[in-house]
Amino acid sequence: EPEVTQTPSHQVTQMGQEVILRCVPISNHLYFYWYRQILGQKVEFLVSFYNNEISEKSEIFDDQFSVERPDGSNFTLKIRSTKLEDSAMYFCASSVGLSADTQYFGPGTRLTVL
Amino acid sequence: AQSVTQPDIHITVSEGASLELRCNYSYGATPYLFWYVQSPGQGLQLLLKYFSGDTLVQGIKGFEAEFKRSQSSFNLRKPSVHWSDAAEYFCAVAFNAGNMLTFGGGTRLMVKP
Repeated sequence: EPEVTQTPSHQVTQMGQEVILRCVPISNHLYFYWYRQILGQKVEFLVSFYNNEISEKSEIFDDQFSVERPDGSNFTLKIRSTKLEDSAMYFCASSVGLSADTQYFGPGTRLTVL
Repeated sequence: AQSVTQPDIHITVSEGASLELRCNYSYGATPYLFWYVQSPGQGLQLLLKYFSGDTLVQGIKGFEAEFKRSQSSFNLRKPSVHWSDAAEYFCAVAFNAGNMLTFGGGTRLMVKP
C-alpha cells in the first residue's frame, strides 16, 4: 500500500540554524500539507499546497517557514532560523483531491532545537 | 470559534471490554469528520471518516463511529478492545473545502490485561 514517507525521523539543530524537513507524498496525490505537534499539545495545521502554490496557511506559518515542491516527488518544509519553540513533531500529509478528501499522514519528523 | 473537543485525556479499559471515545465539535454546519489513531513512534492512521449519508460509519480494526447532529458529536466505539488498541486517538474535522484539519487534543487509551 502506498504511503507518505518523511526524512529524517529525528533532527537535532542549534537555535538560529536552518532546517529542511523532507516528505515524499503518495504519488498520485495532488494536495500536500504540513502539520506540527508540540509535545503534549494538539496537532496543528501549518500549510496546504496545491499546484505549486500555498492554498491555505495558519497563523503559525510565518515568514520563517516556507514550503517547496522541488521536483516531482519531494515536498519540503524549511524553517529559516529555528527557535526553541519550533521543537515539535512535524507531520506531512497528502490527499488526492480537495473538499475534505482523506489526508494520509507520514510517520513524522521529530525536530529538537537546542 | 470553530473547535474540536475530546473530553477524556486518558481512558483505561480492560481487554475485551467495550470502548467509547468522545468527540464534540463547535461549528455552524456539518463538518467532515475523522478519527485517526497514533501508535507510539508512528504517524496518524485513518480509522474512519464521515462525509454524509448514514450516520453510523464503519472503519478499520473493528471501530465504528456515530455522527449525532443534535449533539454535535462523533463518538468512536469498539465492542471489544484488544491490547493492540492501546494508542492515542484523535478526532479531527474539516470545516470547509479548504481541507485544513482541526484536531482535538487526543485521548490516550490504555488496555489492561
